[in-house]
Parts: sequence; C-alpha cells; structure tokens
Amino acid sequence: DQQVKQNSPSLSVQEGRISILNCDYTNSMFDYFLWYKKYPAEGPTFLISISSIKDKNEDGRFTVFLNKSAKHLSLHIVPSQPGDSAVYFCAASGDSGTYKYIFGTGTRLKVLA
Amino acid sequence: GAGVSQTPSNKVTEKGKYVELRCDPISGHTALYWYRQSLGQGPEFLIYFQGTGAADDSGLPNDRFFAVRPEGSVSTLKIQRTERGDSAVYLCASSFDTAGNEQFFGPGTRLTVL
Repeated sequence: DQQVKQNSPSLSVQEGRISILNCDYTNSMFDYFLWYKKYPAEGPTFLISISSIKDKNEDGRFTVFLNKSAKHLSLHIVPSQPGDSAVYFCAASGDSGTYKYIFGTGTRLKVLA
Repeated sequence: GAGVSQTPSNKVTEKGKYVELRCDPISGHTALYWYRQSLGQGPEFLIYFQGTGAADDSGLPNDRFFAVRPEGSVSTLKIQRTERGDSAVYLCASSFDTAGNEQFFGPGTRLTVL
C-alpha cells in the first residue's frame, strides 16, 4: 500500500519554463513533507520541506505547495535549468515518528536546453 | 566537511552468503538511518539509531537483517544468508538529531545477489 504516490514517472520541460512535480499522500497523520533530488550514483539531496501548518514554502527557484484537504503537494521550479535534471522524490513523515520518511517512487525530470 | 560515506560502493555476492555494509555518518550527527531502494522505487526505511541504540528497527524485513552502531558513530548493516530479493541500493543517512532536521544521505551501496 503506497502511502506516498508520485504518479508521473517522468517529465520533460524546456529550459527557462516552469517544472511542476506532483505528489499525493493517503495518510492524514503525515505532518511534515520534503522533496529530495537525486543524481545518478549519488544519494538523495535535501531540497525543500514544508510543515503541515503551512501551505507554501519558498526557497529561491523552488516552491512547495501543500493542499491538506486534497492530500496533495507540488514542487514548482522556476525557471528550470538543465542542472535541475534529476530524479525528484517526495517524502512524508509524522505518523510513526518524524524521523521515518516515507518516500514516493520518484519523478525523473529532464530539462531540455 | 565530509558528508556521509558508505563502503563498499558496490558489492556482488552469491546467494546464501553473509555481507556487511558500512556507513560513516557526518561527524557530530547523533541520528543515523538505513534505507533500502529497490529498482524503480523510492527509499524504504529500515532502521533508525539515536546514539548507540536502535530506536526503531521496524523496517527491517526479517531476522536475516541486523545493524549495529557500537560507538555511536560508524554503523554496519549485516545481512545473513543473502537472497536474490535482497539486491538493492542500501542508503545510509544521518542527521544532527531527529525532529525537523533534514537527513543527509550517503551515495549508497549497490548490493547484487547472484
């Protein structure tokens, strides 16, 4: 039973345009959400997070939006750059402890130059 | 400063053998985590250490898997009687403590069981 779902396995975006990566979750007890970026042969790197008491968090080109009623979050990257090409994982925690991250299956983003 | 390091980067073994995977966390990080990432999946939680003790080992799939962190720093994940289904990338992460602190991941060990 997948508690965190990323239904788009891949996404291609033109350089300079907006990339929108989506994530859905089923467990209403989750209260902390994160996005990680992963390059080949490297471990996931933390990108941005959001607590359930907020609906938006912004860090430079990256913004995460949280819609608790829909159990949905999204990551917006604008403008997209070729170096953003990676696999993006959504993760959630809070139900069984803040340390236990439940990851989605990832979305591979390709930014075309 | 050094990040989380894991050795070996790749490990190929035969079914039924014993393997040990090592993790060196970031200096000063008291919390350490092991995850397993199978092909096409996201990382899956295995175990969490706070200091020397395993605070939560609920993600270990069965009793063939065991992990230690005897001095509160380096950790070793041990897998007995390996099976082909154990093939995956094993990721280690550490954090300064737990609540609200991001986990820093190592590059992983790719385990292949033939």
